[in-house]
Amino acid sequence: DVQMTQSPSNLAASPGESVSINCKASKSISKYLAWYQQKPGKANKLLIYSGSTLQSGTPSRFSGSGSGTDFTLTIRNLEPEDFGLYYCQQHNEYPYTFGAGTKLELK
Amino acid sequence: EVQLQQSGAELVRPGTSVKLSCKVSGDTIIAYYMHFVKQRPGQGLEWIGRIDPEDDSTKYAKKFKNKATLTADTSSNTAYLKLSSLTSEDTATYFCTTGYYDGTYYYDGVMDAWGQGASVTVSS
Repeated sequence: DVQMTQSPSNLAASPGESVSINCKASKSISKYLAWYQQKPGKANKLLIYSGSTLQSGTPSRFSGSGSGTDFTLTIRNLEPEDFGLYYCQQHNEYPYTFGAGTKLELK
Repeated sequence: EVQLQQSGAELVRPGTSVKLSCKVSGDTIIAYYMHFVKQRPGQGLEWIGRIDPEDDSTKYAKKFKNKATLTADTSSNTAYLKLSSLTSEDTATYFCTTGYYDGTYYYDGVMDAWGQGASVTVSS
């Protein structure tokens, strides 16, 4: 199985700042990485797939980059609604696997 | 817009089984692979498996092969997850989610629409 290592596990920032979350795969997954946001009381939200393709409705302040084993989610100019949990997930091969998550908190 | 409505919270005894439902509205279920994902309290997401409702073909993560059974009923647009021989390790929230079609290409493993989650508590 492809192991996904996500870092950092916790991140504190203020509105208006930019942050990056990293995800490393244990072997090459080409470009096939997705990012999700999880917030209490809301359905999990697909933000980005295939490494850098924004899902419809994802604000342009979100961006994804990387290929092979190393990927990054960047959020520029943080808005209050961006605080929550973020997960990466490889969608290259079965079984699909997730990173352990990054909790983005308000500083 | 596809919406997923999951069944309610369950409190079940160790050693028994539970069957969770996930009803699709806004589209036909045969348009999507249906995935189920587990999240233990305070933990991350774990993929259980997926079913193709068009032909009932399934794929499972190895650790769930003897634990989970995925089925689908196209007449009611509903997917099901049955968990057997329940233990405390199965106490979790279980999400259903669909694969994603962008109009050109179908992304099996991209999980687009999500249900609200169904809580299962295993306790005597």
